[in-house]
Amino acid sequence: DVKVTQSSRYLVKRTGEKVFLECVQDMDHENMFWYRQDPGLGLRLIYFSYDVKMKEKGDIPEGYSVSREKKERFSLILESASTNQTSMYLCASSLPLMNGYTFGSGTRLTVV
Amino acid sequence: AQKVTQAQTEISVVEKEDVTLDCVYETRDTTYYLFWYKQPPSGELVFLIRRNSFDEQNEISGRYSWNFQKSTSSFNFTITASQVVDSAVYFCALIHIGGGTSYGKLTFGQGTILTVHP
Repeated sequence: DVKVTQSSRYLVKRTGEKVFLECVQDMDHENMFWYRQDPGLGLRLIYFSYDVKMKEKGDIPEGYSVSREKKERFSLILESASTNQTSMYLCASSLPLMNGYTFGSGTRLTVV
Repeated sequence: AQKVTQAQTEISVVEKEDVTLDCVYETRDTTYYLFWYKQPPSGELVFLIRRNSFDEQNEISGRYSWNFQKSTSSFNFTITASQVVDSAVYFCALIHIGGGTSYGKLTFGQGTILTVHP
């Protein structure tokens, strides 16, 4: 089974801090995704990547950036954390796309 | 653009009741897949089913069944004889694979919180 691992389950950061959320998958998937989940809004796509060093903006990229230096790792970066970025962040990978995604367990980020 | 709507925010039932979760989608594409995911309290989304746009056959898997109707753009999910372990958030999602700007993006509905009481 594909495993998607997110490095932290819970994080508390201060406003203005630079925050790194790490995601690693172990099945050589080319496609990786970052979503945030908020009550009543479902999951919204922040960024995705179809290959190493490649990235595409999703529906809500503002305030975020990503890095994909290796195929198995996809990092989400909050350049200057703000309280409205308090949320559950979910990483996913897939190959091929029609099989749907495999998700990590999520990182619950609180910005104070 | 594609959109998925789950109008039911929360549903509460008593164990052994049947429950249907509604999902309506919008897309201009002819080639797409629909999914249902379950998110238990642990947080990880669990894949339940996939259906492609060319296959309108309904599917049953144990106590779960899915009704896909292209004419109404709906992909509803029914749990028969619900159990407490079915309590979770359920998400319907759509992915377009026919090319274009929406290619490969899994679009989710808002989610339905299902609570099954003993």
